[in-house]
Amino acid sequence: NAGVTQTPKFRVLKTGQSMTLLCAQDMNHEYMYWYRQDPGMGLRLIHYSVGEGTTAKGEVPDGYNVSRLKKQNFLLGLESAAPSQTSVYFCASSNELAPAGEQFFGPGTRLTVL
Amino acid sequence: GIQVEQSPPDLILQEGANSTLRCNFSDSVNNLQWFHQNPWGQLINLFYIPSGTKQNGRLSATTVATERYSLLYISSSQTTDSGVYFCAVPQKWGAQKLVFGQGTRLTINP
Repeated sequence: NAGVTQTPKFRVLKTGQSMTLLCAQDMNHEYMYWYRQDPGMGLRLIHYSVGEGTTAKGEVPDGYNVSRLKKQNFLLGLESAAPSQTSVYFCASSNELAPAGEQFFGPGTRLTVL
Repeated sequence: GIQVEQSPPDLILQEGANSTLRCNFSDSVNNLQWFHQNPWGQLINLFYIPSGTKQNGRLSATTVATERYSLLYISSSQTTDSGVYFCAVPQKWGAQKLVFGQGTRLTINP
């Protein structure tokens, strides 16, 4: 039981490049989330999903897109990376929609945009 | 939205010492989580504790929901306990997210 996994672990992009971050969970959780962590800002919600085929905007969605084609996977896309998107990205999953559900986090992806 | 404050911001201890970390929140909650972010950046779930007391080895946590605070106790600290400890509570309205405190950075010296 791997829990929540993320790929890649590290990535360096140039401004304007695109990339996709993959999150996978093997706990059969319905709900999945993408957060970013920045110094002094804590963790902020980018997008979330309440089930296969659904997505919704969080606190800081601009510049990102997401897809949930399969229940176990939640993809975060950057279409045209900007230096402001340099951050550590965490994926999380839960078996109940917040506020009741306990969220479990992946190991994070450290992204640098030059 | 709900505010979460943690104290102290930094704590430096010798191996073997005990510590208490505090989390205050500004509104009633039905969910509270404690996490440990280790030096490699991983967020490890410690406790899911909306109320009452839970224990896991050398760690225990107590949440007093009516008084809007939670405490994390670490006994007989080890160097591997170093890192940042976060508490998080759910935002009541709007986007479904956890609101994190700013964390307590714990350093355990050998």
